[in-house]
Order: sequence, then C-alpha cells, then structure tokens
Amino acid sequence: AQSVTQLDSQVPVFEEAPVELRCNYSSSVSVYLFWYVQYPNQGLQLLLKYLSGSTLVKGINGFEAEFNKSQTSFHLRKPSVHISDTAEYFCAVSTSGSARQLTFGSGTQLTVLP
Amino acid sequence: DTGVSQDPRHKITKRGQNVTFRCDPISEHNRLYWYRQTLGQGPEFLTYFQNEAQLEKSRLLSDRFSAERPKGSFSTLEIQRTEQGDSAMYLCASSPEGFGSYGYTFGSGTRLTVV
Repeated sequence: AQSVTQLDSQVPVFEEAPVELRCNYSSSVSVYLFWYVQYPNQGLQLLLKYLSGSTLVKGINGFEAEFNKSQTSFHLRKPSVHISDTAEYFCAVSTSGSARQLTFGSGTQLTVLP
Repeated sequence: DTGVSQDPRHKITKRGQNVTFRCDPISEHNRLYWYRQTLGQGPEFLTYFQNEAQLEKSRLLSDRFSAERPKGSFSTLEIQRTEQGDSAMYLCASSPEGFGSYGYTFGSGTRLTVV
C-alpha cells in the first residue's frame, strides 16, 4: 500500500514571492506522482504529473515539481505566485495496478497575500 | 466536449432517505471513478468502472452504497438510508485507456449534506 504526506497544512505567502509545497510518499513499488489544485466548491484540476523520464516536470499556471526518488519526495514549486493561486493543493500517487487508483495527501491550503 | 459533468451540484437530505447522483464522463473515456472527499481531507477512492464493468470497490463502499454504469457511458451512485457520516463531496472522474489513464479528469462534484 502507498501513502502520501503533505507536510504543511497551510502556507501563507505574499504575492510575487516564490513558494514550495512539500510532498513525501511511501510505497514499496514504483509510483506515478501527481499534483492537483482545488478551488472552493470545485472539483480537482490536474496541475502536473510524473510518469517517467525527466525528474523535473512542468505543469500549468507556471508550476513545476521535482521527483526525488532517494528522498521519496515530489515538491511543488512556483517562482512567483499570484492572488489567483490561492487554493487547496493535493499531492497524489498511483501505482501501475489496473485500477489506476489515486491515493491523496490531506492537502495544503496556499493563501497568497497582497 | 465540456468535461466531466455531475448532477446535482448540491443535495440536502434527511437522515434515512435515499439519494442518487449522476456522472457523465468525457465521451471517449471508458474508465470512470468515484471518490469521496470529507471536509479538510483529500479524496478517497470508492469504486472504478471500465466500460460497464465495475472492477474494483473500496472497503469504504458499504452495503448502503451502490454504483452502476449500465451502458458504459454515464454512471450513478446511490446511497440508501443515508447517515450523517455520509455528508461529503462525491467526485467523479474519467480517463482514457493506456498511459493517458494516469491522472484523470475530475468533475465539479456533488456536495451531500445529511441533516
């Protein structure tokens, strides 16, 4: 079984500052890794995913994440945030099983302050 | 195509009543998923369909829950004899086959409140 830990439940940051949202995972098999964003009363939107290849993954809205196998981490970064980035961010893992089931972390609330 | 659609967006029901939610996936996607998200938590897997076949169910899906996808297109999730603990956001997602099935598209969810 796999699990995901998002180390910070809330991250406040000023507009135009850089941000890093931390995610660590645990799994006994190879995993695929994802970051989703959820705006209030909305579903989840896929930001980016790591399936294979380059460990630095670029996503939508200027976000990127780096897969670090030795540290079992997949931290999300953005060099300069905007007010509109205020949302809940979820890290998730999936294994190669047929169901493609996702296991989510508990989320990080990013609040961008003016 | 407008993405994954869920109906209704909100549902308030009295404890003990039955409720049914509908999900319309992206038309060319043959995989369909149901997840449940409680307040302050990440979504949790409930069940998965490939075409009309329900291939996997979570232990979270008690006997009061049933999901169908009769023609391999839309799906319904029914909860019988609702309890207050069923209050949550119910999310549907879909994906195509192959490598694209990793990281699927979610709908906006149905928020259920049991009073």
